[in-house]
Amino acid sequence: GAVVSQHPSRVICKSGTSVKIECRSLDFQATTMFWYRQFPKKSLMLMATSNEGSKATYEQGVEKDKFLINHASLTLSTLTVTSAHPEDSSFYICSAKRTRSYNEQFFGPGTRLTVL
Amino acid sequence: DAKTTQPNSMESNEEEPVHLPCNHSTISGTDYIHWYRQLPSQGPEYVIHGLTSNVNNRMASLAIAEDRKSSTLILHRATLRDAAVYYCILRDDSGNTGKLIFGQGTTLQVKP
Repeated sequence: GAVVSQHPSRVICKSGTSVKIECRSLDFQATTMFWYRQFPKKSLMLMATSNEGSKATYEQGVEKDKFLINHASLTLSTLTVTSAHPEDSSFYICSAKRTRSYNEQFFGPGTRLTVL
Repeated sequence: DAKTTQPNSMESNEEEPVHLPCNHSTISGTDYIHWYRQLPSQGPEYVIHGLTSNVNNRMASLAIAEDRKSSTLILHRATLRDAAVYYCILRDDSGNTGKLIFGQGTTLQVKP
């Protein structure tokens, strides 16, 4: 199956700093990638849809200036949490959909962010 | 997006079949039924999807009711590695957005 990686897998940062999380599709091209966050014992919440070469589409209630998304190539999308605060601590997961495929999505292993 | 309803949790014994139900009474004609599962501390993984007919793959079977208002994911022989949260999701593939909206899912426990 197709592989999606995330880097870093775990990050701890101080309040007020910015953190960048990378999502890569390793063996396929992904026009569209998605970013989710997940709190402990909760389900995944879709944050935004990332389209290669264009602006991301954010879900209602997600601050686009807080969570900056860049999808500069067909294999890489980045999520930057700006001026992180403890309430941003969460498990961030990306997924990628093959170009011209509307079936399965391939999920990354997730990035655990802890803001002190 | 149409909603799905799943039991919060289920238990199964190892090597026995497991039937995970999902209700989706407001499903529309263009909604596909997708199942994903999430093992602890991992990203979700695709299990199976279908539209109207029952589907089988190496991981599971999907039985879809004739009126499409419910479906059942079948694991034929549960193993300890099948312990996970199983999500039943409706996706309108006609819109081509591809996005998945996750509900609360069913936490499956498998007992040895």
